[in-house]
Amino acid sequence: EDQVTQSPEALRLQEGESSSLNCSYTVSGLRGLFWYRQDPGKGPEFLFTLYSAGEEKEKERLKATLTKKESFLHITAPKPEDSATYLCAVGSGYALNFGKGTSLLVTP
Amino acid sequence: EAEVAQSPRYKITEKSQAVAFWCDPISGHATLYWYRQILGQGPELLVQFQDESVVDDSQLPKDRFSAERLKGVDSTLKIQPAELGDSAMYLCASSLNPASGGETQYFGPGTRLLVL
Repeated sequence: EDQVTQSPEALRLQEGESSSLNCSYTVSGLRGLFWYRQDPGKGPEFLFTLYSAGEEKEKERLKATLTKKESFLHITAPKPEDSATYLCAVGSGYALNFGKGTSLLVTP
Repeated sequence: EAEVAQSPRYKITEKSQAVAFWCDPISGHATLYWYRQILGQGPELLVQFQDESVVDDSQLPKDRFSAERLKGVDSTLKIQPAELGDSAMYLCASSLNPASGGETQYFGPGTRLLVL
């Protein structure tokens, strides 16, 4: 059975303080590792898809990396507007199996 | 930019009443998904459609939930009767055909359901 575990559950950073979020997974036949951002009361917003170990993708202050067992979402010099819940999901078959998310708060 | 549309955005209902949610996927997306998200948890798949056919409804509580996508475009999710434990965010997502590499799912804004 696919499993996705995200850590930490919550993270508080000062503006400009870089950090990383972790997503550990077990899956039979990875069809993609997905990162989403979710603001309170809204639907998840797509950020990245990673398909193979060693792959990296970047968008503004975010960089996602993938190994055979985990993915990291690196946040460089975060700003308060980066505050949100970040969800990781793995695809095997056609469904997505989501983790519980990391709630990020960036303070000025 | 194309988006997934959902309505209503909020719904308050009493226990044992019927509720329905509507979703219009991104144009050209053959695959449509309904998820349920409880506060503090990740979304969980309820049902997946490929065009008008159900691909996976193994997690759909079929005694009270039903879903349809009659013309392979928009979709309706119904709950009858609603129970207190159904209070959650109901999310619709769509993608190109995942069998052809279109795995990335794009989500709508969701419908927040409160059952009293």
